Amino acid sequence: QKEVEQNSGPLSVPEGAIASLNCTYSDRGSQSFFWYRQYSGKSPELIMFIYSNGDKEDGRFTAQLNKASQYVSLLIRDSQPSDSATYLCAVRDDKIIFGKGTRLHILP
Amino acid sequence: NAGVTQNPKFQVLKTGQSMTLQCAQDMNHNSMYWYRQDPGMGLRLIYYSASEGTTDKGEVPNGYNVSRLNKREFSLRLESAAPSQTSVYFCASSEAWEGHGYGYTFGSGTRLTVV
Repeated sequence: QKEVEQNSGPLSVPEGAIASLNCTYSDRGSQSFFWYRQYSGKSPELIMFIYSNGDKEDGRFTAQLNKASQYVSLLIRDSQPSDSATYLCAVRDDKIIFGKGTRLHILP
Repeated sequence: NAGVTQNPKFQVLKTGQSMTLQCAQDMNHNSMYWYRQDPGMGLRLIYYSASEGTTDKGEVPNGYNVSRLNKREFSLRLESAAPSQTSVYFCASSEAWEGHGYGYTFGSGTRLTVV
């Protein structure tokens, strides 16, 4: 059974600080890795994807991938109250498997 | 550009009733998916269609059927609704099935309550 594990949180971070979200996955053959943001009562929204080891930056977001450790992370710099949401890690082999998400709360 | 459109947005069913959840995408995506999302359980795949004309079971297919009507439309049917099917249902689509992939675009969801 392929699994994607995330700490459910909530993770509380002061406004302006860096939020660090982590994810581990079980299938070494996984090729593609995604981070989705889901606001309460809304559908998931793709915010980052990464395929290669290392870092990928997009604005305030940085995705980090370490395939040897089977570890994916998302850093959010200069956290804003609008970043408060549940963040879903997802891993694709043939289909996408989602983690259960980490609730992030940015404290004003 | 509407993306992925789901109907209805909300529905209340009595146990044993049937209904079809509609999903359509206008992005010319090959693959389409139905998920359910329950508190503490995350997103679980019900059925998927890798391409027009094909459908396959996901993680939790029991009690559901699907139809890939054409490239745009993928419907989910509950033949005899049960309270355990109370959930939020999301339809999603993606550009390709294999290879590096593409993330999913989700519809806005259907909130279904079975009483």
